[in-house]
Amino acid sequence: QQQVKQSPQSLIVQKGGISIINCAYENTAFDYFPWYQQFPGKGPALLIAIRPDVSEKKEGRFTISFNKSAKQFSLHIMDSQPGDSATYFCAASRDSNYQLIWGAGTKLIIKP
Amino acid sequence: NAGVTQTPKFQVLKTGQSMTLQCAQDMNHNSMYWYRQDPGMGLRLIYYSASEGTTDKGEVPNGYNVSRLNKREFSLRLESAAPSQTSVYFCASNDRGFTSPLHFGNGTRLTVT
Repeated sequence: QQQVKQSPQSLIVQKGGISIINCAYENTAFDYFPWYQQFPGKGPALLIAIRPDVSEKKEGRFTISFNKSAKQFSLHIMDSQPGDSATYFCAASRDSNYQLIWGAGTKLIIKP
Repeated sequence: NAGVTQTPKFQVLKTGQSMTLQCAQDMNHNSMYWYRQDPGMGLRLIYYSASEGTTDKGEVPNGYNVSRLNKREFSLRLESAAPSQTSVYFCASNDRGFTSPLHFGNGTRLTVT
């Protein structure tokens, strides 16, 4: 019940295309779902986060879609650019006192 | 603002040696964290400090100790390094709790031979 399963492990997308990364969780008590972006040699940085009271959250070209009944959430990157090439991590937590459970990461490469 | 600063950036240890990883933040955050990152395993929490004067174990605390020296600084100590501790170590901080945005340092790459 602790796991967050992230897929795919790696993804190659053409410039201008849509990148989609999926995560699934088991613990129905989770209520905070962030996505972090990590460039080589750097620490992760928060990209966007969602709570289960909404089904979608958009920030620029980045959108989180949330399906509570399926216990899944996904990151969509529209009009993907070479500068989006990075490793993306999903995570989940049930409250501020409960540690984040991280997915294994997706290495995204955007081909020019 | 420097954000979260970690030292050193790289370190090679022999099995059994000890070392301390240093972390400092200048954002006046209450909470600080130590994570390790291994290929295919995401980030795993080693220890955290919810506020100055408190520390708690995370998912993988064995073989590590921590000290919250003051509000700015949180160090991680390996008393007797093992090859299984070869990893990239990240320090992070935030205002409070696991549902606030985490601000990470750039990591320490540690190799234990």
